[in-house]
Amino acid sequence: GQQLNQSPQSMFIQEGEDVSMNCTSSSIFNTWLWYKQDPGEGPVLLIALYKAGELTSNGRLTAQFGITRKDSFLNISASIPSDVGIYFCAGQPDNNDMRFGAGTRLTVKP
Amino acid sequence: DTGVSQDPRHKITKRGQNVTFRCDPISEHNRLYWYRQTLGQGPEFLTYFQNEAQLEKSRLLSDRFSAERPKGSFSTLEIQRTEQGDSAMYLCASSLSFYGYTFGSGTRLTVV
Repeated sequence: GQQLNQSPQSMFIQEGEDVSMNCTSSSIFNTWLWYKQDPGEGPVLLIALYKAGELTSNGRLTAQFGITRKDSFLNISASIPSDVGIYFCAGQPDNNDMRFGAGTRLTVKP
Repeated sequence: DTGVSQDPRHKITKRGQNVTFRCDPISEHNRLYWYRQTLGQGPEFLTYFQNEAQLEKSRLLSDRFSAERPKGSFSTLEIQRTEQGDSAMYLCASSLSFYGYTFGSGTRLTVV
């Protein structure tokens, strides 16, 4: 089963607003990743974080690897309609097994 | 390179039938993963190959499930005697290292 707690479960925001979502775990992870999934498609990697405390940006997206290695957050600034989708956090405790959160469903109203 | 390809995209089968899915990874990727995703949940790890060797299997992979990766290229996932609880999206991913998997578009299985 899922070992990552992702929140919020869903968000309804106005275009132009900033978004923040996070993920926590009872276990330590060596890598944190954030994916976006559109309906009927596989997840697409947005940001990968490899070191505790690391803050990484990808355009309007910013993600941080928590210092305790048990949490991560993703921020989206100035949201646009194409940001709609389901965002998943994923953590890797070791080299082979990546575990996913249950996702945050984002709806952006124009 | 067209990314990770999965075939078929959709499969409807009757309970008790066997089904087989295929995954073609990115050609230079030696690692291949199968995940299962049910509605409203994130993907759950099923199994992992490095080249042709199956190195890890989840407890989710019951004895009705079998995966192969002959010659370390494409992979197949077979489900025998399907049950309604097997209805899900089956995702394949590949990678060159243990970071940054690339996922395929998945095979959506419906067992009726």
